[in-house]
Amino acid sequence: NAGVTQTPKFQVLKTGQSMTLQCAQDMNHEYMSWYRQDPGMGLRLIHYSVGAGITDQGEVPNGYNVSRSTTEDFPLRLLSAAPSQTSVYFCASSYMGWGTEAFFGQGTRLTVV
Amino acid sequence: AQTVTQSQPEMSVQEAETVTLSCTYDTSESDYYLFWYKQPPSRQMILVIRQEAYKQQNATENRFSVNFQKAAKSFSLKISDSQLGDAAMYFCAYRSRVNTNAGKSTFGDGTTLTVKP
Repeated sequence: NAGVTQTPKFQVLKTGQSMTLQCAQDMNHEYMSWYRQDPGMGLRLIHYSVGAGITDQGEVPNGYNVSRSTTEDFPLRLLSAAPSQTSVYFCASSYMGWGTEAFFGQGTRLTVV
Repeated sequence: AQTVTQSQPEMSVQEAETVTLSCTYDTSESDYYLFWYKQPPSRQMILVIRQEAYKQQNATENRFSVNFQKAAKSFSLKISDSQLGDAAMYFCAYRSRVNTNAGKSTFGDGTTLTVKP
């Protein structure tokens, strides 16, 4: 099925551990992004990409790395997990001309203990 | 930096009635997009409606319409004939079209809408 596939859906990490959240889309969208959503708040942009090989920082990039080697995949790496990174993470994608993320993944609930 | 403010943390509406959710934003840019997203309890983010700042005509999608006041930097969402399935958190968002900021979106903190049967 077409859409944004985000894995895993749930994850518990210990402080200091690293991990990668996976995101893939099969719609040939140029634009992909990662957001975090903290309780009672809106989404905050972590990193985004306007095409393969091109990434840029969003509002809250510290502690996260991304790469975009293919159009389809946009993984988010947590380098050394901290309790402040406990949040729900969303990956999203769209065509550049739409001006917004039209498709979102189901989200990953990450808890860092 | 752009900011988006949703001043109503919670709203409620009777089924079949009309409700308006408020959103204001602050920007020095003249070219941008504005959107409303719906997030039901399933956590899935759903794009409801989209407005391009250079278009004066207010966007409409079925029962959803916006009142876009560019000079006042206001972007409210009207839901007509409210249905139980409209119950969700609604987010207002802004995205710049200016080159250096293109692609960066800013979200409000959301309004929780309850629909009463």
